[in-house]
Amino acid sequence: GENVEQHPSTLSVQEGDSAVIKCTYSDSASNYFPWYKQELGKRPQLIIDIRSNVGEKKDQRIAVTLNKTAKHFSLHITETQPEDSAVYFCAASPNNAGNMLTFGGGTRLMVKP
Amino acid sequence: GAGVSQSPSNKVTEKGKDVELRCDPISGHTALYWYRQSLGQGLEFLIYFQGNSAPDKSGLPSDRFSAERTGGSVSTLTIQRTQQEDSAVYLCASSLTGEGETQYFGPGTRLLVL
Repeated sequence: GENVEQHPSTLSVQEGDSAVIKCTYSDSASNYFPWYKQELGKRPQLIIDIRSNVGEKKDQRIAVTLNKTAKHFSLHITETQPEDSAVYFCAASPNNAGNMLTFGGGTRLMVKP
Repeated sequence: GAGVSQSPSNKVTEKGKDVELRCDPISGHTALYWYRQSLGQGLEFLIYFQGNSAPDKSGLPSDRFSAERTGGSVSTLTIQRTQQEDSAVYLCASSLTGEGETQYFGPGTRLLVL
């Protein structure tokens, strides 16, 4: 089955700096890669996703890149703000497996004002 | 519109008791998923329902865990003879279809087994 590794487990940045979180996956059949943000005590919420037919996707301060050859994808947050502080999870899913998601272990991002 | 809802929000039970957790997906969503999140950990897939198809139970950790989905809508996750290691947040998600669609999560049920 799929295995997703996520790094780093914790990340502390100064407000205004960029943050990068990296994930690798094992199943070459995976073709859907969402990123979720989870604030303390809250439900995970989708912030951006990418499918395997594109290499990069951007939404305001958030971007995701995908390298299918190397089987890794990354989340980039620019101009970080204190409200970006949360735990971020990457996930991977092969469409032909019913879209169940295999999650990485999470990254706790702390943005210091 | 209404999102995914789950009940109860918190459940404390004694070891050996059975518990039932409920999930109401977004109306019209045919796919429903259960995940488990242990303290400070990532999410672990448990079971997946898609329409009237047989559920994918490949993530259930033991035969003490079962789930059903009645009428293609509400789902119940049942844990029999609970153990302390079952303590976790149980999250339900739904998506419009089961093919690369965004999964929307409910608030979760926090289960504590004493």
